[in-house]
Amino acid sequence: AQSVTQLGSHVSVSEGALVLLRCNYSSSVPPYLFWYVQYPNQGLQLLLKYTTGATLVKGINGFEAEFKKSETSFHLTKPSAHMSDAAEYFCAVSDQVGTALIFGKGTTLSVSS
Amino acid sequence: SAVISQKPSRDICQRGTSLTIQCQVDSQVTMMFWYRQQPGQSLTLIATANQGSEATYESGFVIDKFPISRPNLTFSTLTVSNMSPEDSSIYLCSVSGADYGYTFGSGTRLTVV
Repeated sequence: AQSVTQLGSHVSVSEGALVLLRCNYSSSVPPYLFWYVQYPNQGLQLLLKYTTGATLVKGINGFEAEFKKSETSFHLTKPSAHMSDAAEYFCAVSDQVGTALIFGKGTTLSVSS
Repeated sequence: SAVISQKPSRDICQRGTSLTIQCQVDSQVTMMFWYRQQPGQSLTLIATANQGSEATYESGFVIDKFPISRPNLTFSTLTVSNMSPEDSSIYLCSVSGADYGYTFGSGTRLTVV
């Protein structure tokens, strides 16, 4: 069965600094990988997803992630953090179209001025 | 992508009672998924509901506690039975689309007192 590990439950960066949120997956088949963001007391918002094709995926709000099969990773990055990026970030995986997403435990991103 | 209407958005319930959560989708979908998000936690898959068959429950979740109905391809209910304060969570339904995307309901914020 597939699973997701998010390294670091809490990441703190300064405004303007690089954001790096780590996600490693376990799957017996080529995975479909997702990053979601959740702001306090709000629902999930899809940042980006990898299904097939180009391994570098660009998402909304300046985020991108790279699928590295050899490292079983799908780390999320943003070159320059903004205060509004402070939120909870979830990595998720599914191993087939139409099956449920399995979520990592989440990473809280704090951004200081 | 599909649009999901989830009701109720929130409720405060007495321990020992039951609450039924409804999800209506604006298109026909084969499978619907139910998740629980406990305070400060990630999303945990409760079960997968396939129309015309019994729901498939994840480890740690049982049908007697979380009975699921799936009468047609656009509707599903999740009941939280014999509630205790530990059931206080956000409950979400989700469906997958043809574009590898997943849509989530807006969630039901349940408080058990």
